[in-house]
Amino acid sequence: GENVEQHPSTLSVQEGDSAVIKCTYSDSASNYFPWYKQELGKGPQLIIDIRSNVGEKKDQRIAVTLNKTAKHFSLHITETQPEDSAVYFCAASITGGGADGLTFGKGTHLIIQP
Amino acid sequence: DGGITQSPKYLFRKEGQNVTLSCEQNLNHDAMYWYRQDPGQGLRLIYYSQIVNDFQKGDIAEGYSVSREKKESFPLTVTSAQKNPTAFYLCASSVGPGPDQPQHFGDGTRLSIL
Repeated sequence: GENVEQHPSTLSVQEGDSAVIKCTYSDSASNYFPWYKQELGKGPQLIIDIRSNVGEKKDQRIAVTLNKTAKHFSLHITETQPEDSAVYFCAASITGGGADGLTFGKGTHLIIQP
Repeated sequence: DGGITQSPKYLFRKEGQNVTLSCEQNLNHDAMYWYRQDPGQGLRLIYYSQIVNDFQKGDIAEGYSVSREKKESFPLTVTSAQKNPTAFYLCASSVGPGPDQPQHFGDGTRLSIL
């Protein structure tokens, strides 16, 4: 089955700086890659996703890049703000492989230092 | 206001007892999912359902059971056979079946053993 590795497990950046979180996946058939943000005591919230026919997607301060050859994808947050502090999860799935859900990374705790 | 409602927020189980976690959605979504989250871990799929009266096992279904009698409801029962039930349980839904459909999560139920 699919395996998703996520790094780093904790990331501390100064407010206003950029943050980058990286994920690798094992199954080359994976073609959908969402990113979720989870605040304490809450469920994950989808913040951006990308499909394998696209190399990059941007939404205001958030961008995701995908390298299918290397089987890795990254989340980029620019001009970080205190409200960006949360745990971020990447995930991967395969279309048409059966609706058996997403495979998640173990999460990155992002800390924005004032 | 459309969304996914999980109840209760906190639940305590005695040894040998079955407990049922509620998940209701008013998004008119066809597919629903149950995930388990342990500290410092990603989410792991327990069960999923693509349509009413149909459901499939995920990666860690042992000790759990589900039903899908109504489109908007997907309750999860944690049975006494689940030897390590303490975790944060998350319910999700998506518009249609298929792992490439964006999943929307509830705010979870935290289950603890007395």
